[in-house]
Amino acid sequence: EVQVLESGGGLVQPGGSLRLSCAASGFTFSSYAMTWVRQAPGKGLEWVSLISASGVSTYFADSVKGRFTISRDNSKNTVYLQMNSLRAEDTAIYYCAKPPYAHYYYGMEVWGQGTTVTVSS
Amino acid sequence: QTVVTQEPSFSVSPGGTVTLTCGLSSGSVSTSLYPSWYQQTPGQAPRTLIYSTNTRSSGVPDRFSGSILGKKAALTITGAQADDESDYYCVLYMGSGFSVFGGGTKLTVL
Repeated sequence: EVQVLESGGGLVQPGGSLRLSCAASGFTFSSYAMTWVRQAPGKGLEWVSLISASGVSTYFADSVKGRFTISRDNSKNTVYLQMNSLRAEDTAIYYCAKPPYAHYYYGMEVWGQGTTVTVSS
Repeated sequence: QTVVTQEPSFSVSPGGTVTLTCGLSSGSVSTSLYPSWYQQTPGQAPRTLIYSTNTRSSGVPDRFSGSILGKKAALTITGAQADDESDYYCVLYMGSGFSVFGGGTKLTVL
């Protein structure tokens, strides 16, 4: 079964850092780009970041550029989202998602259950 | 700044047909933006319905279909059921690795 499972969320103070992980299984992880999407309380979905299958190329929404980094370890079937200089507006559920086609960047087919990040003093 | 537009809300009668749309604040949506559609109920992760304009995700009933209608992507639900009452989001691939979600449509079945 194709699955992705996020972890690493929690409560962090403004200006702090947190690293989210997304463990994948059931597919050839190293062939797929991976995406992070977030949802603030009561708000819609927001695309956050994408990393290519090889990890060489990374992309970020303007709202997180310069503060977040994305990486992956294909030997561990895991993608990471390092979040620095966190702000109250980063409070959200963070979802990891797998696209439908290998080596393509568009769409999300399989979603995790999400991990909650709360930025508050 | 690219804005993806969706109807904030829509209602449909049980058994009826509804078409939700996904547009651009400037320009047209085409298949080259690979529109995808997601359903989300409160407290749940999104569920993929449609990707690449009209490909149904595994397990999605054929009551759900995707298309391009005029200058917009469209999600059509036929034979609406009570458990179709959800939020529906579209996402467009803008190229160079970037995607943008619409603001979502809250569908009421009544």
